[in-house]
Amino acid sequence: AQSVAQPEDQVNVAEGNPLTVKCTYSVSGNPYLFWYVQYPNRGLQFLLKYITGDNLVKGSYGFEAEFNKSQTSFHLKKPSALVSDSALYFCAVRDILKGSYIPTFGRGTSLIVHP
Amino acid sequence: GAGVSQSPSNKVTEKGKDVELRCDPISGHTALYWYRQSLGQGLEFLIYFQGNSAPDKSGLPSDRFSAERTGGSVSTLTIQRTQQEDSAVYLCASSAARGQGEPPYTFGSGTRLTVV
Repeated sequence: AQSVAQPEDQVNVAEGNPLTVKCTYSVSGNPYLFWYVQYPNRGLQFLLKYITGDNLVKGSYGFEAEFNKSQTSFHLKKPSALVSDSALYFCAVRDILKGSYIPTFGRGTSLIVHP
Repeated sequence: GAGVSQSPSNKVTEKGKDVELRCDPISGHTALYWYRQSLGQGLEFLIYFQGNSAPDKSGLPSDRFSAERTGGSVSTLTIQRTQQEDSAVYLCASSAARGQGEPPYTFGSGTRLTVV
């Protein structure tokens, strides 16, 4: 079965500091990995995805994520946080080998960027 | 339309009543997903459509929940005899065919259902 874990319910960071939102996954085969962001009263917005290739993936709004196969992680990062980055972030995985068409989402991590 | 449209945006219903939630996906998107988002629970998968068929409905929590999709487009999620534990935000997402790589899923803004 495929699963994803976001070990932190909340991450607090000061504006201008680097941020990391953690995600680990478990699949039988190779993973497709995604990050989404949700602003209040809005649907989820796509940030970035890892399918294959370069382990460092760059996405929207200056975010990037690093795929680490040995640690089964796909942490979301940004070099310099903005107050406007404050939102709920979801990691998702889909197992290629399993042939599932259904992505599994994590519980979400609330990012709070303080001025 | 340009995005995934869900209606109503908010629904308050009395316990025991039936409700219908509507999702209008992006034109041409063959895959459609329903998820439920409860406070502190993340996103819970409900059902997946490919065209008009539902190859995976394993996430529907009980037989009070059903969904259909017509014309490969609009989908309706129906909850019969609503219970208070059904209160949540119901999200719909659509994506293009997989022959175009691994397309991202585009989500609607959701329907906030409150059962009183």
